[in-house]
Amino acid sequence: GQQLNQSPQSMFIQEGEDVSMNCTSSSIFNTWLWYKQEPGEGPVLLIALYKAGELTSNGRLTAQFGITRKDSFLNISASIPSDVGIYFCAGPLSYKLTFGKGTLLTVNP
Amino acid sequence: DGGITQSPKYLFRKEGQNVTLSCEQNLNHDAMYWYRQDPGQGLRLIYYSQIVNDFQKGDIAEGYSVSREKKESFPLTVTSAQKNPTAFYLCASSIDHRGGYTFGSGTRLTVV
Repeated sequence: GQQLNQSPQSMFIQEGEDVSMNCTSSSIFNTWLWYKQEPGEGPVLLIALYKAGELTSNGRLTAQFGITRKDSFLNISASIPSDVGIYFCAGPLSYKLTFGKGTLLTVNP
Repeated sequence: DGGITQSPKYLFRKEGQNVTLSCEQNLNHDAMYWYRQDPGQGLRLIYYSQIVNDFQKGDIAEGYSVSREKKESFPLTVTSAQKNPTAFYLCASSIDHRGGYTFGSGTRLTVV
């Protein structure tokens, strides 16, 4: 099936650092979604983007819907230990969501 | 509170046995989905259902079966035909595919 290309695959950072990850596709999307999954749990929706060029914030998280509609970015500012988890991008394709493979974030206190 | 419940959290089965994973939601969502998660593989779609009494195969449906007799329930059966059933299984529901999915907390199946 169609996959979203998400990078980086993993990140190891120090507490307080900023984080940036992105997602690209060869297909155009009308919606971009970002999820976070903590160990042993299901993903939780962080941010939803519905318009090209849109920039949306949720606390220390900021996500952008790329102008070309083929990419999206998620930034986390001033990381803290509880930011640890897997971050997934997702977009609707053929009446269902397609997910990236995720970015594993580790934050060292 | 509305939500989506998967049970059990951990499940152990012997090779060759069928096993059914439960997924129940009280969000009044029409669509429900089953995903399989393996390390480094992301989320792979097994089956999905957009309405009661209807469901479609996802990307990795072989060795799995589902039913959707009620709006609230979408059980997944892992059959003995599934070659590598040990994985973390996630159920989700949504009003439609464009909006966010609500995920359950997952079932970790181990087949020995």
